[in-house]
Amino acid sequence: QQQVKQSPQSLIVQKGGISIINCAYENTAFDYFPWYQQFPGKGPALLIAIRPDVSEKKEGRFTISFNKSAKQFSLHIMDSQPGDSATYFCAASIRDYKLSFGAGTTVTVRA
Amino acid sequence: DAGVIQSPRHEVTEMGQEVTLRCKPISGHNSLFWYRQTMMRGLELLIYFNNNVPIDDSGMPEDRFSAKMPNASFSTLKIQPSEPRDSAVYFCASSSPGQFGYEQYFGPGTRLTVT
Repeated sequence: QQQVKQSPQSLIVQKGGISIINCAYENTAFDYFPWYQQFPGKGPALLIAIRPDVSEKKEGRFTISFNKSAKQFSLHIMDSQPGDSATYFCAASIRDYKLSFGAGTTVTVRA
Repeated sequence: DAGVIQSPRHEVTEMGQEVTLRCKPISGHNSLFWYRQTMMRGLELLIYFNNNVPIDDSGMPEDRFSAKMPNASFSTLKIQPSEPRDSAVYFCASSSPGQFGYEQYFGPGTRLTVT
């Protein structure tokens, strides 16, 4: 069964808007939560990651929000650009190595 | 840094044939992962090596799949015999300690089509 549930499956946002992708997990032993970005024909690339001891991490226009009690985490893409159009995967793991991926969210940024 | 290198990038084969996918991890990385990506099942971990030793192969679908890592710079994933349901994109990833632990870097993938 899928250990990490991701939503929405796809979203369309206007240039300059905010994209929000949500993930939920059940296994409280997970201690590493990365987000990957994948362009067509390419492998996933690590975008940003967080550990459960912090509630938020920001890198440029990308922010992870983490809610340990709700077992949820989300990715916010601020000031979305056409170059951000890609598929985004959340993931979770114990001791880093065995990543369980969400189903992915296809983001389309309209110019 | 050349990143993770995979070959071939595309493979088309007939059912029953043997398929070998190859991976060269990033130099200095001591962990290597093989993943499979399909529309139906998403990204699945097949097998994980640490220091060339298979640590977790619970994701290998069946005995038709085998993986080896004879040295720190090379790994293979073999399917014998191949079946149409094996059609997928296969990714190799390698990792090293990063700011938050072991950050995995993916190769470009091999798109396998079994007819």
